[in-house]
Amino acid sequence: GQSLEQPSEVTAVEGAIVQINCTYQTSGFYGLSWYQQHDGGAPTFLSYNGLDGLEETGRFSSFLSRSDSYGYLLLQELQMKDSASYFCAVLPRRTGANNLFFGTGTRLTVIP
Amino acid sequence: NAGVTQTPKFRVLKTGQSMTLLCAQDMNHEYMYWYRQDPGMGLRLIHYSVGEGTTAKGEVPDGYNVSRLKKQNFLLGLESAAPSQTSVYFCASSYRGASGRVGGFFGPGTRLTVL
Repeated sequence: GQSLEQPSEVTAVEGAIVQINCTYQTSGFYGLSWYQQHDGGAPTFLSYNGLDGLEETGRFSSFLSRSDSYGYLLLQELQMKDSASYFCAVLPRRTGANNLFFGTGTRLTVIP
Repeated sequence: NAGVTQTPKFRVLKTGQSMTLLCAQDMNHEYMYWYRQDPGMGLRLIHYSVGEGTTAKGEVPDGYNVSRLKKQNFLLGLESAAPSQTSVYFCASSYRGASGRVGGFFGPGTRLTVL
């Protein structure tokens, strides 16, 4: 089976850097994804790590270490609009479709 | 290009009533999914489809049925609604390629309340 653990809430100051961690237990997976969801909105895809290491996309970076069963999302130069919930998700390595398994999410609050 | 659309956006049902949630995507994606999201929780997979005419169960399939008669549409049915099915339902689609970069495209959600 799979389990993904994230902190439930994180608060950070506008302009700062924040890291949202995701630790997982899974029998095997293709990669780790991150999604952003604003209140009342739909999840939107942010990034994907298929290999260990850092992936950078603008102000957002994501990291994966399979040996440590750990990943994180790094948000730089925080803006008020970054206040949202962030979910990590794994793509389990099994026959079938791309069935993303989601963590319970981290609610990020950016304060002035 | 509308992406993923869902109908309806809101619905209130009485226990025992039935309804169908409609999902449509115009990106020619092979895979489509139905998730439910409950307060303070992540998304849980109900059913999914790897192509036209095929469906499979996800993590929480009980009480739901699905059909994928056309590639662009994925329908979620509740035959006899229960209060435990009060939730926000998201449809998603994605392209094939499990070994590469995978991104799911989500619809805006359907907020369902069962009284």
